[in-house]
Amino acid sequence: AQKVTQAQTEISVVEKEDVTLDCVYETRDTTYYLFWYKQPPSGELVFLIRRNSFDEQNEISGRYSWNFQKSTSSFNFTITASQVVDSAVYFCALTPYGYNKLIFGAGTRLAVHP
Amino acid sequence: DTGVSQDPRHKITKRGQNVTFRCDPISEHNRLYWYRQTLGQGPEFLTYFQNEAQLEKSRLLSDRFSAERPKGSFSTLEIQRTEQGDSAMYLCASSPSGGDSYEQYFGPGTRLTVT
Repeated sequence: AQKVTQAQTEISVVEKEDVTLDCVYETRDTTYYLFWYKQPPSGELVFLIRRNSFDEQNEISGRYSWNFQKSTSSFNFTITASQVVDSAVYFCALTPYGYNKLIFGAGTRLAVHP
Repeated sequence: DTGVSQDPRHKITKRGQNVTFRCDPISEHNRLYWYRQTLGQGPEFLTYFQNEAQLEKSRLLSDRFSAERPKGSFSTLEIQRTEQGDSAMYLCASSPSGGDSYEQYFGPGTRLTVT
């Protein structure tokens, strides 16, 4: 079975705090891809990052960083020095190699307050 | 370079009516996907096209739902005899074929309300 779990339903932080969004996935496939998407209040899903199962190197992009650990089947997302514009729902997604669909978690709603 | 567009953005209809949504993918993308998103949930896959061929359909896509991509460009999703349970955001996405990119680019969605 393929499944993505985002246990944190809502997180509320004050601006400039660091925040980590958790993602745990299940798959029997050895080759797969993991994604993070952002859904701001406007509703459009914005692609943030893709990771393949052979690349466990952590990635940093500006204030965003991602920690991929196959041993714990986790792909966590950290925002450093959060800003109000980071307020959105964030989705983690999985697609095994050869699949033609993304399997999404339920999302984590992040509220960043001034 | 325009992104994925969807029309209409909002649709309110009465139960039992038929509705049709349109999606225009990114022009060089061969793959097109439809998803449905209900409140508080992540998007759920409905169907997938490679060019004009519909290659996969979810069990969520009941016989009241039909999707087409007649010339391998834009796509339509029709819901017949709408029910209140069809109220949701309908998202379209596209991606290039080939390679291992796999990331999908989403449109703004069509929010359907069935009264």
